[in-house]
Amino acid sequence: GENVEQHPSTLSVQEGDSAVIKCTYSDSASNYFPWYKQELGKRPQLIIDIRSNVGEKKDQRIAVTLNKTAKHFSLHITETQPEDSAVYFCGSSGTYKYIFGTGTRLKVLA
Amino acid sequence: DVKVTQSSRYLVKRTGEKVFLECVQDMDHENMFWYRQDPGLGLRLIYFSYDVKMKEKGDIPEGYSVSREKKERFSLILESASTNQTSMYLCASTPALGRYEQYFGPGTRLTVT
Repeated sequence: GENVEQHPSTLSVQEGDSAVIKCTYSDSASNYFPWYKQELGKRPQLIIDIRSNVGEKKDQRIAVTLNKTAKHFSLHITETQPEDSAVYFCGSSGTYKYIFGTGTRLKVLA
Repeated sequence: DVKVTQSSRYLVKRTGEKVFLECVQDMDHENMFWYRQDPGLGLRLIYFSYDVKMKEKGDIPEGYSVSREKKERFSLILESASTNQTSMYLCASTPALGRYEQYFGPGTRLTVT
């Protein structure tokens, strides 16, 4: 069946460094790719998303890139801050079903 | 702002009990979803509903059922709770299927003893 693979499962970076999380999807019909951030004890919240007709999208310190040919997309966080520490989930969606990656626990070390 | 609420934040039930988890959204969204979240496994879809009284199985429907009698309300039912259903349960809604953000509820941490 369709799946989304996400790497790494944990990531530690020094404050101010960049962090990159990568996802690979299998369903060729997928055309929407969201990224969610889940802080400890809180609900997942959308931080950025990209649709298949776009290769890159930026919002301040975060950016997402999409390579449809290779079926992978990545989240880039620059100038990381302690408040970026959380679990990040990637997702993909085609016609109706949303599939999520297994999550990356990002720790930003002060 | 979209608001998705869940009936309980924490719930402790005994093996064999029937358990109801309720989710309500206030933005007239067509579609609602139930996920369970387990460490290392991410979010797995249990059931979703694209209209009142309509439901579709997700990836892990065994041991669960759902009910959607009103547009704003989507209930998850554990017919006979088992210890392997101890988990975090998240409800979500979205205005249409496919290319739209999912809005999540705060989650219900269910422990079955």
